[in-house]
Amino acid sequence: AQSVAQPEDQVNVAEGNPLTVKCTYSVSGNPYLFWYVQYPNRGLQFLLKYITGDNLVKGSYGFEAEFNKSQTSFHLKKPSALVSDSALYFCAVRVGGGYNKLIFGAGTRLAVHP
Amino acid sequence: GAGVSQSPRYKVAKRGQDVALRCDPISGHVSLFWYQQALGQGPEFLTYFQNEAQLDKSGLPSDRFFAERPEGSVSTLKIQRTQQEDSAVYLCASSLEDRGRGSYEQYFGPGTRLTVT
Repeated sequence: AQSVAQPEDQVNVAEGNPLTVKCTYSVSGNPYLFWYVQYPNRGLQFLLKYITGDNLVKGSYGFEAEFNKSQTSFHLKKPSALVSDSALYFCAVRVGGGYNKLIFGAGTRLAVHP
Repeated sequence: GAGVSQSPRYKVAKRGQDVALRCDPISGHVSLFWYQQALGQGPEFLTYFQNEAQLDKSGLPSDRFFAERPEGSVSTLKIQRTQQEDSAVYLCASSLEDRGRGSYEQYFGPGTRLTVT
């Protein structure tokens, strides 16, 4: 069965330090991977995606993610965290072949401290 | 341009009442999705439309849940005889699904928070 795991419920980072939010996936076939961010009482905002090509993908607000097929991971990264990055982050996978739904991880709360 | 909009933003229903939740997708997006997000959890897929055709309704939790998109644009999620376990945020998303540009990302509305008392 397809699944996404986000092993950390919360990540704490000091402002200005690099951040990593982890995601691993389990799918059959080639995965299409996505990161979304959710602010309180808001819907999910699309950050970035991996469909094919370069393993390092860049997205909105300075975020990037690295696709690692051998480790089945798609970790979200940012070189220098901002307090305004504090939010709930979701990793999601879509399986190709006509299955268009997204399967989400449970989410990781990122707290960036001044 | 305008994003995905949903109404109402908040809905309180007494157990046993019927509710209807509306979604206006981004203009031109052929694909429309409904998800349910329980408190503290990730969204879970409910159903998927391509234009007016409902191609996947495998996530609908019971036959009390019904969705439609009659003209391939606006969609309505209806829940009959609401139960307390239906309390959640219902998210709608739309997608361009342009294979040529690899545009598979889904754009989400703000959600409707349903509370069943």
